[in-house]
Amino acid sequence: GAVVSQHPSWVICKSGTSVKIECRSLDFQATTMFWYRQFPKQSLMLMATSNEGSKATYEQGVEKDKFLINHASLTLSTLTVTSAHPEDSSFYICSARGAANYGYTFGSGTRLTVV
Amino acid sequence: GEDVEQSLFLSVREGDSSVINCTYTDSSSTYLYWYKQEPGAGLQLLTYIFSNMDMKQDQRLTVLLNKKDKHLSLRIADTQTGDSAIYFCAEEGRSGTGGFKTIFGAGTRLFVKA
Repeated sequence: GAVVSQHPSWVICKSGTSVKIECRSLDFQATTMFWYRQFPKQSLMLMATSNEGSKATYEQGVEKDKFLINHASLTLSTLTVTSAHPEDSSFYICSARGAANYGYTFGSGTRLTVV
Repeated sequence: GEDVEQSLFLSVREGDSSVINCTYTDSSSTYLYWYKQEPGAGLQLLTYIFSNMDMKQDQRLTVLLNKKDKHLSLRIADTQTGDSAIYFCAEEGRSGTGGFKTIFGAGTRLFVKA
């Protein structure tokens, strides 16, 4: 079945530095990838929709200059958290829509801790 | 705006059936999904139902959809300890830009007692 690889699975960084998270569709082409953020005991919050070869569409309230999304190919999208602060600490999950006309395949998530 | 609600916690005994309920507001939803999230992991698609269906059964899983009441349920038969996880209900519809947009509920934490 469709597989999405996300890494790193966890990262600890210092406040003020930038962190890049990668999301790859391993066995299918994903024209659209999605980035979510999950707060403890809360649901997923869609941050942005990433379309291959074009600018990402950000949800209201998400700072596009802080959360840089690049979708350079049909199998890779990256999320860069710039100038990270402790309040950016969270669980970030990507997903991609596969060839089947239902559902999404999710990556395993990245737990970001900013100290 | 769109909203998906589900109870936050459910506790059952091993071998019993679990029923997780969900309500949604977007009547134009095309697909409705159930995802499972195990601790520290991403989401796994469990099953889905198209909006013109009433029921879908997949092994131990039964999904019931009441479109009139905008109510979705997931029944897990013969619940096992390995079923302990958070279950997310999600609805998919068209976004304002013409693409797809999925709204998730807050998740129901299922605790299975041995």
